[in-house]
Amino acid sequence: GEDVEQSLFLSVREGDSSVINCTYTDSSSTYLYWYKQEPGAGLQLLTYIFSNMDMKQDQRLTVLLNKKDKHLSLRIADTQTGDSAIYFCAEFEDSSYKLIFGSGTRLLVRP
Amino acid sequence: DVKVTQSSRYLVKRTGEKVFLECVQDMDHENMFWYRQDPGLGLRLIYFSYDVKMKEKGDIPEGYSVSREKKERFSLILESASTNQTSMYLCASSRNGASTDTQYFGPGTRLTVL
Repeated sequence: GEDVEQSLFLSVREGDSSVINCTYTDSSSTYLYWYKQEPGAGLQLLTYIFSNMDMKQDQRLTVLLNKKDKHLSLRIADTQTGDSAIYFCAEFEDSSYKLIFGSGTRLLVRP
Repeated sequence: DVKVTQSSRYLVKRTGEKVFLECVQDMDHENMFWYRQDPGLGLRLIYFSYDVKMKEKGDIPEGYSVSREKKERFSLILESASTNQTSMYLCASSRNGASTDTQYFGPGTRLTVL
């Protein structure tokens, strides 16, 4: 089956940039997503990128897509303590109409 | 705003009990999903439904069943709860099955089976 992989943990200082990385296997995925889960809450869609784009910027968030290497990253500029959460990368599997999630990266922002 | 609600935030049940987890969405979405979330494993799809009375198995359907009698409501049923079903359960809905569609998630139900 398809697989989405992420590192489990990232720690940064407040004000620094955070970069969360993700690799996926389904080269036919048309959309890739980043979801955020705050403690005790469900998942909230942060942003998504269409597979024919290589970059998307939305305020402090920058998504980079390297389709050749099947690598997706989420950069958070000027990281704040409120950004501490688990970040999930997900790809849309066109053949089954399912979202395939990574295991999530826990971001800890230190004051 | 889309709202997806789940009947309980926390639930404690005993081994062998029948457990119902309810999910309701208010945006007339066609698709609804049940996931479980476990540390280090991310979200795994249990079942999904693309229409009333329709259901499809996800990646880990064993030990679970679902019911979609009305469009807005999708229930996850544990016929005989076991301790390995202790987990966070997340419901989601989306307008249709297209890749352009966003899945909206409920707050989750943390189920503990003793």
